[in-house]
Amino acid sequence: QVQLQESGPGLVKPSETLALTCTVSGGSVNKYYWTWIRQPPGKPMEWIGYIFYSGTTNYNPSLKSRITMSVDTSRNEVSLKLNSVTEADTAVYYCARDRSAWGSFLDPWGLGTQVTVSS
Amino acid sequence: DIQMTQSPSSLSASVGDRVTITCRATQSIATNLNWYQHKPGQPPTVLIYAASIVQSGVPSRFSASASGTEFSLTISSLQPEDFATYYCHQTFGFPFTFGQGTRLEIK
Repeated sequence: QVQLQESGPGLVKPSETLALTCTVSGGSVNKYYWTWIRQPPGKPMEWIGYIFYSGTTNYNPSLKSRITMSVDTSRNEVSLKLNSVTEADTAVYYCARDRSAWGSFLDPWGLGTQVTVSS
Repeated sequence: DIQMTQSPSSLSASVGDRVTITCRATQSIATNLNWYQHKPGQPPTVLIYAASIVQSGVPSRFSASASGTEFSLTISSLQPEDFATYYCHQTFGFPFTFGQGTRLEIK
């Protein structure tokens, strides 16, 4: 059974770079799309974007200028970097697996990791 | 962006009740609509994909339908384990978007 685990610093200072890792266990990152989603407090979930195991990406235009996603197939990990963070980036960040680039669904998800942006 | 208006935002119901949650899209999304259940301390899980297909392992009391840009999730007879937050999610137009969520609480 595939399980995902997000990890990263719980606290990031404004203007710094947020770096998160999603570790995949019980399966391989190969052949799948890996999606990042976040949920700010009291707000809807926001689709951040996805990366295919080959490295192809598709980012939310609202975040595109600040995002970098990467895949490490040898470590079975997916990473998200978000630079120049502000308090508006405070959220629970989730990673999830998708089977295709369009028209599919997210399964499974990780538990999520809380990230707070504060000085 | 395609906006997903989910209603109600919260719902109080009793075990055995039949409940329906609705999502309306601001434009056609075909049947590219998924429903997720999220319980505290657990990852979200998919209940329904492609608007009406029940994911393997999901109890038969969960069903969903679509009519144009309106999508519904129905739980036919609420069980204690169904009290959670439910989200719709469209995968038709980029960026993909989610509904605001419906918190289903015990009356």
